[in-house]
Amino acid sequence: DTAVSQTPKYLVTQMGNDKSIKCEQNLGHDTMYWYKQDSKKFLKIMFSYNNKELIINETVPNRFSPKSPDKAHLNLHINSLELGDSAVYFCASSQGGNPLYEQYFGPGTRLTVT
Amino acid sequence: AQSVTQLGSHVSVSEGALVLLRCNYSSSVPPYLFWYVQYPNQGLQLLLKYTSAATLVKGINGFEAEFKKSETSFHLTKPSAHMSDAAEYFCAVSERGSARQLTFGSGTQLTVLP
Repeated sequence: DTAVSQTPKYLVTQMGNDKSIKCEQNLGHDTMYWYKQDSKKFLKIMFSYNNKELIINETVPNRFSPKSPDKAHLNLHINSLELGDSAVYFCASSQGGNPLYEQYFGPGTRLTVT
Repeated sequence: AQSVTQLGSHVSVSEGALVLLRCNYSSSVPPYLFWYVQYPNQGLQLLLKYTSAATLVKGINGFEAEFKKSETSFHLTKPSAHMSDAAEYFCAVSERGSARQLTFGSGTQLTVLP
């Protein structure tokens, strides 16, 4: 069974569209994250949720909105997509929000905005 | 503010040779330090972490890293490279005593030559 899964794996869309990326973890973890990896492989945290509550919200345009319907899911909705949003987005989860707890990463969603 | 610098965006070694990937950190207090590996088209996986229990940390797949406070370094080594070690390696830091999450370095692409 996949521990952290993301759908879709690839997403190609046009500027101005709205899209969502879904993430699910079956590890029983209480904390989930969204990361953005740009074309230079630089990885930066976007959001962190603990027990469905937002605990980290880095400097991210408000076009990005995370939604956590339950502890096992953290979806990322992006409005009015821009070229600069093209990146690989990773979902991760851990048991507890302390960085000492290992984070388990999903396989990533490659978003291409044309 | 905490940060990590990975020297060398690309490192090539021959199979069986020593692997040395460099990481230097900048932090106002002794941090927690991590090494993650990313295989092609996959998410990140934790290799090892330093939490102050011991300065020499052993991880998975034969990797280890040594915390040197005087050099503010946490270099990753493996005595003998294997073809399967070819991947992107990320050093990450988290500051103690705060709720801050992981800050990643820019990554080092390891190529293993036959």
